[in-house]
Amino acid sequence: EVQLQQSGPEVGRPGSSVKISCKASGYTFTDYVMNWVKQSPGQGLEWIGWIDPEYGSTDYAEKFKKKATLTADTSSSTAYIQLSSLTSEDTATYFCALTTLYWGQGVMVTVSS
Amino acid sequence: DVVMTQTPPSLSVAIGQSVSISCKSSQSLVYSDGKTYLHWLLQSSGRSPKRLIYQVSNLDSGVPDRFSGTGSQKDFTLKISRVEAKDLGVYYCAQTTHFPYTFGAGTKLELK
Repeated sequence: EVQLQQSGPEVGRPGSSVKISCKASGYTFTDYVMNWVKQSPGQGLEWIGWIDPEYGSTDYAEKFKKKATLTADTSSSTAYIQLSSLTSEDTATYFCALTTLYWGQGVMVTVSS
Repeated sequence: DVVMTQTPPSLSVAIGQSVSISCKSSQSLVYSDGKTYLHWLLQSSGRSPKRLIYQVSNLDSGVPDRFSGTGSQKDFTLKISRVEAKDLGVYYCAQTTHFPYTFGAGTKLELK
């Protein structure tokens, strides 16, 4: 059974960075790209980008190119997203997703001083 | 970016009623392999999205056949027959044909 287990909620100060993890199980981690999706409070879904864990290659939506950095650790089957230079606009829930079928439970990131 | 226009933004429905949700894209969603990567997701309150239908009309495992998807090119529809209480939530269409992937704004299905 495919499972995507994400890390816990984060609180970050404005201007700081946070790093969220997504541990995958139930399939071969390097066989599929991992997507990341943002959902601002009460809003819809925005695709951030994907990472190919086998090669480390990435692709980002334009608006997230300077905000998000995607990485993956094949030894632990874990994907990561780091969000930098946090502002209130980054307060949201962040999901990892394998294709559009399997989703992590989401991580709430709150930016607050 | 491909804009996904979803209507209506909300639907008030009685149990047992049938409803339809429209999703129109600003570009054709037919990929170079001939397939159309338009999907429908349901997000129930406080939960992760769940995919119901992939590639326009294919039901995911465990999804009841009360759900159906139709359409082509730029115009797609999700139909729910005989709505049940567990169907309530926000429905999203999503395209994964073009980068960046994009989603509709959502249709909130509520009880009348």
